[in-house]
Parts: sequence; structure tokens; C-alpha cells
Amino acid sequence: NAGVTQTPKFQVLKTGQSMTLQCAQDMNHNSMYWYRQDPGMGLRLIYYSASEGTTDKGEVPNGYNVSRLNKREFSLRLESAAPSQTSVYFCATCRGTGSYEQYFGPGTRLTVT
Amino acid sequence: AQSVSQHNHHVILSEAASLELGCNYSYGGTVNLFWYVQYPGQHLQLLLKYFSGDPLVKGIKGFEAEFIKSKFSFNLRKPSVQWSDTAEYFCAASTGTASKLTFGTGTRLQVTL
Repeated sequence: NAGVTQTPKFQVLKTGQSMTLQCAQDMNHNSMYWYRQDPGMGLRLIYYSASEGTTDKGEVPNGYNVSRLNKREFSLRLESAAPSQTSVYFCATCRGTGSYEQYFGPGTRLTVT
Repeated sequence: AQSVSQHNHHVILSEAASLELGCNYSYGGTVNLFWYVQYPGQHLQLLLKYFSGDPLVKGIKGFEAEFIKSKFSFNLRKPSVQWSDTAEYFCAASTGTASKLTFGTGTRLQVTL
């Protein structure tokens, strides 16, 4: 089992370009999350999906959109990239809402010039 | 709003020294607590978790943490660190609703030989 996979691993964008970060899980988990990691700031929640068909904003949703395509896949879209979105993006999954731990993917390092 | 504080930003220890990393959270209700570790170039891995019961929890690789409700703390300890423990350590909390995690800013641990 691959667990949580993310594509691409690295990406460089120019300001104003758009892209979609992909996340897939084979753990049969209900909940999925997108975080960004910035130096000195830990991880901050961008969006999450508590179950298939639902999505909700996290702490820093501005400039992003998400799609929960099915139970396995949760994508993050940057419509018009900005240098402030340079970060490492992590996808995570969780069995469900409640007392469960999250499992993280390997991350996507995005640079916006 | 819920928050998690990690007061040690960068810790340097010699091998075999004892480790204690501080973590405080601000939330008055039921809270789930976690310590995650991120080795250089890798994704986050769960070290240990506290949901309920015994406030002293043991995790992988000899790590343990103690939940002290009166102090809103969940400090991470290890009696004797190894060079391979060099990593960044994140404390996180969730309130159970949607299992959303709030992370601390992280502590970078450097273990010297």
C-alpha cells in the first residue's frame, strides 16, 4: 500500500500561473486535509474534507480551491499563483472525525517566482 | 481560537543527553494531542498521541510525553537522544470535530556526536 501520495514533488510557477496539486490515498480514510508548511510557522490548514462530497475552509484558504473528486482523491488548485504561496504543501488523511491521527503524504515543494 | 505553543525553536544536544521539548495548548474542552516528527527531507510521522486515559504516553523510538491538564501542557521527553533523532518536532492538537489539527511552530533538534 502506498498510503498517501502527492504529485508533483516539485513545481516552479510564474506569478499568475495556475496549477493543481494532486493527493490520493489508499487507506480508505474518510477525511482528507491540505496543509502548507512555512519556516517558523509550522503547518497551517488550508482546506479539509471531512467526508466525500464535503469541503470546508481551514485557517488560510485565500487563493486556493479544492475538489474532493471521490473518496480517494483530494486536489488543491491555485488559480493565480502568487509569491506568497511559495511553500511546501502536505496532504493528510484521517479515518474520520473524532479521536484519530492523521497520516501525511511526502509533500509538494512549490516555488512561485 | 485554539493555539499550540512550542517555546524551544532550536535545541542542540550531545548524544546521550536527555531531551524535553515543551508544548502548551490553549483550549478548555476535550483535546487530542500529538507529537509528529519530520526527519530531513521526509514527511511528518506520528511519534505519539494522547486521546484519553493514562496521561503518560509512550511512542516510537523511546519517546514519551506527559499530558498535564492543569498546566495545559504535553511535553515530549527522551532519556537519551541519538544522532538519528536530529529532526524537527511538531506538537499538535485537535478538538475532535473534523479532526482538524492545529500545529505548533516546531522545534528543530540537532544532536551532535
